[in-house]
Amino acid sequence: AQTVTQSQPEMSVQEAETVTLSCTYDTSESDYYLFWYKQPPSRQMILVIRQEAYKQQNATENRFSVNFQKAAKSFSLKISDSQLGDAAMYFCAIDGLTFGKGTHLIIQP
Amino acid sequence: DTGVSQDPRHKITKRGQNVTFRCDPISEHNRLYWYRQTLGQGPEFLTYFQNEAQLEKSRLLSDRFSAERPKGSFSTLEIQRTEQGDSAMYLCASSFPGTSGYEQFFGPGTRLTVL
Repeated sequence: AQTVTQSQPEMSVQEAETVTLSCTYDTSESDYYLFWYKQPPSRQMILVIRQEAYKQQNATENRFSVNFQKAAKSFSLKISDSQLGDAAMYFCAIDGLTFGKGTHLIIQP
Repeated sequence: DTGVSQDPRHKITKRGQNVTFRCDPISEHNRLYWYRQTLGQGPEFLTYFQNEAQLEKSRLLSDRFSAERPKGSFSTLEIQRTEQGDSAMYLCASSFPGTSGYEQFFGPGTRLTVL
């Protein structure tokens, strides 16, 4: 069985600062995908960034980047230059079927 | 808007009643997923379809739950004899397998309240 653990129920960051959200996972698969999804209040969940486990290079999407440590089964999300619109619940997921409990990100103006 | 729609958006029912939810995925997506999300939790996988075939069901999907995807297009999720513990947001997502992994596009969800 796959598991995903997000140990930070809530994080707060000043606008324009950088924040890192943690995620650890467990799987017996050797090939898998990892995802970070964003769920704004009362809005649909959308993909932020994805990482293929066989790729060593960390994925980046504009202000969003990941630190993927396969041996440690760690997949953290870094948000640079935080913006008010980044405020949301962030979910880490493996293979799109198993999600963590989420981290509530608060952006302070 | 991700292109995935769900109907209804809200449903209030009395305990013991049956309810049915509908999900319309993005038309070219062959995979469709159902999740349940309770307050403060991440989505919990219920089941998924590839075209019209139901390929996997979670242990969470008791015999009161049934899902269908006739003709591999829209899908319905029915809950029979609802219980208060069924109160949750029911999310639908669709995906198309490709080189970028199974990125899922989520619908807005159906919020179920069982009184």
